[in-house]
Amino acid sequence: QSVLTQPPSASGTPGQRVTISCSGSSSNIGSNTVNWYLQFPGTAPKLLIYSNNQRPSGVPDRFSGSKSGTSASLAISGLQSEDEADYYCAAFDGNLNGPLFGGGTKLTVL
Amino acid sequence: QVQLQESGPGLVKPSQTLSLTCTVSGGSIRGGSYYWSWVRQPAGKGLEWIGRMYTSGAANYNPALRSRVSISGDTSKNQVSLNLTSVTAADTAVYFCARIVGSDWKDVTFDSWGQGTLVTVSS
Repeated sequence: QSVLTQPPSASGTPGQRVTISCSGSSSNIGSNTVNWYLQFPGTAPKLLIYSNNQRPSGVPDRFSGSKSGTSASLAISGLQSEDEADYYCAAFDGNLNGPLFGGGTKLTVL
Repeated sequence: QVQLQESGPGLVKPSQTLSLTCTVSGGSIRGGSYYWSWVRQPAGKGLEWIGRMYTSGAANYNPALRSRVSISGDTSKNQVSLNLTSVTAADTAVYFCARIVGSDWKDVTFDSWGQGTLVTVSS
């Protein structure tokens, strides 16, 4: 069964730079682009990064994405208290024949 | 700006069928290059893709749920429906309707989401 692995938690202080990793395999990240979503408690996910490193309109440039091989990363610079949320990576998976989500990373701003 | 709104029973008995509707406004479910999808999230857990329907009506599903799930569209009401049969407590989750932008079967960018609706499976 295909899996996208994220650390369950991450943290940083205001102004700091934080990165969240997403590890996959050749059936997903290795051959497809990666998207990132953020989700505040009790709300729907929101698209944060698409096609590995593209930001939708309205997403601050403090958020950036990258991909190398079968792994991807989300970087948040100039961390702010309002960045505290759950972050999910996602990619098309050939075994699933559809979108596969990572387990999510809870970001805490200390 | 497209908007999606889920609706349906909040409580379903075990072994019965879970039926939800996603009403789409600000865009047609048969127009453009989009997939209309369902995603669910058990309390405190991550997101699980259930299935998707293209604007043509063609659909594909998560293999883990394929034998129990169907997604269809009603163009007269501009709605997308989800049916999940033989439910158990493991199907208890918040169910989201979401739009995937793109026409390629590998397109999986969810650009719009409904607010989600909690469905509890319990007798």
